[in-house]
Amino acid sequence: ETGVTQSPTHLIKTRGQQVTLRCSSQSGHNTVSWYQQALGQGPQFIFQYYREEENGRGNFPPRFSGLQFPNYSSELNVNALELDDSALYLCASSQTSGGPDTQYFGPGTRLTVL
Amino acid sequence: AQKVTQAQTEISVVEKEDVTLDCVYETRDTTYYLFWYKQPPSGELVFLIRRNSFDEQNEISGRYSWNFQKSTSSFNFTITASQVVDSAVYFCALSGSMTTDSWGKLQFGAGTQVVVTP
Repeated sequence: ETGVTQSPTHLIKTRGQQVTLRCSSQSGHNTVSWYQQALGQGPQFIFQYYREEENGRGNFPPRFSGLQFPNYSSELNVNALELDDSALYLCASSQTSGGPDTQYFGPGTRLTVL
Repeated sequence: AQKVTQAQTEISVVEKEDVTLDCVYETRDTTYYLFWYKQPPSGELVFLIRRNSFDEQNEISGRYSWNFQKSTSSFNFTITASQVVDSAVYFCALSGSMTTDSWGKLQFGAGTQVVVTP
């Protein structure tokens, strides 16, 4: 196990609602990245947080937002949910230290939008 | 823009056969990093290996081996003597160096489903 935890495990929402997903990073890691994985596809990068600041963003609309807290845990918020937001949301933690960092993933949150 | 191609959608083998997964990448970065992850049915991505672009030495770890060929932009992965527990989706991923926009952002391929039957 990586030590990265995510909650909740599963979530069902209806179109137009808002959702918050949570991630606790591995001990000693200061960076959290979020990915969306649609069924049968590879994960797509949403954004990354380093020391509580957004440190890069993929091609996702502004209704996808995030936070990182002083203990390096993180939240992913999605507003105005759409059916296409149904996916597995993966959180990864890493230690950014000036060298190549490996991202370690949590078990994911399965979001279903009806 | 970076791109990772895993042309094999699914590979089915019988236990103890060898399996080779292909990965071809595109990047303009001179320094970059390649990864392989395994995703079992439980859904969690499990890190297998990281390779730096300036280190073309191939690696063997138990039943796993990796062949990095910078000249052909390929980073292939072989499972020797496959076992049922190897059944999973395997992803190849790429990220750039600290001086590029792709730093820390993993660009994944579409994945290859490996099915190992007894």
